[in-house]
Amino acid sequence: EAQVTQNPRYLITVTGKKLTVTCSQNMNHEYMSWYRQDPGLGLRQIYYSMNVEVTDKGDVPEGYKVSRKEKRNFPLILESPSPNQTSLYFCASSLVFPPEAFFGQGTRLTVV
Amino acid sequence: AQSVTQLGSHVSVSEGALVLLRCNYSSSVPPYLFWYVQYPNQGLQLLLKYTSAATLVKGINGFEAEFKKSETSFHLTKPSAHMSDAAEYFCAVSEHNQGGKLIFGQGTELSVKP
Repeated sequence: EAQVTQNPRYLITVTGKKLTVTCSQNMNHEYMSWYRQDPGLGLRQIYYSMNVEVTDKGDVPEGYKVSRKEKRNFPLILESPSPNQTSLYFCASSLVFPPEAFFGQGTRLTVV
Repeated sequence: AQSVTQLGSHVSVSEGALVLLRCNYSSSVPPYLFWYVQYPNQGLQLLLKYTSAATLVKGINGFEAEFKKSETSFHLTKPSAHMSDAAEYFCAVSEHNQGGKLIFGQGTELSVKP
């Protein structure tokens, strides 16, 4: 079954404690991205990757890092989380053309 | 710059009534357009997509959308709402030279009354 798998689904952490949210896809897609979803703002892109070892900033990259060492994996790293990073995060993978995205189930992060 | 506007953050309809969710976009060239649905505690699922073929696009669960270039719109409709349609709906746009990046609207929460 084609899918994007994110872990964990729920995470509560404290300010400043580094965390990683994992993302893996089994569709051999080249393009992967991370979005955050906030009420009234829809989804906004944090980072994206066009291929292995190729990553770039999206619209809201501050406070986040990513890596793409393998085609299937695209972890999101928060080195020093802050409360304004409390949000619902989605990983997505897609073909480039057309850019039909497949989404993971989401990770609800709370930073206290 | 591209943008997407969804008119109405909340829409409520009665079961069996027409569903109309509005989406307008701004783009310098005809884009790819998408509607996604998000059920509670789940990820986003593709409902339908426009990729410059037929302007009337049919999707899953009886939904369809019409691309109107002159109005820069891509409104989502369903003739008869079902209780199971209650969810949040997102319109998204991507230009042909933007790789896989999607720009999302703010979302519209659809409620269906019995």
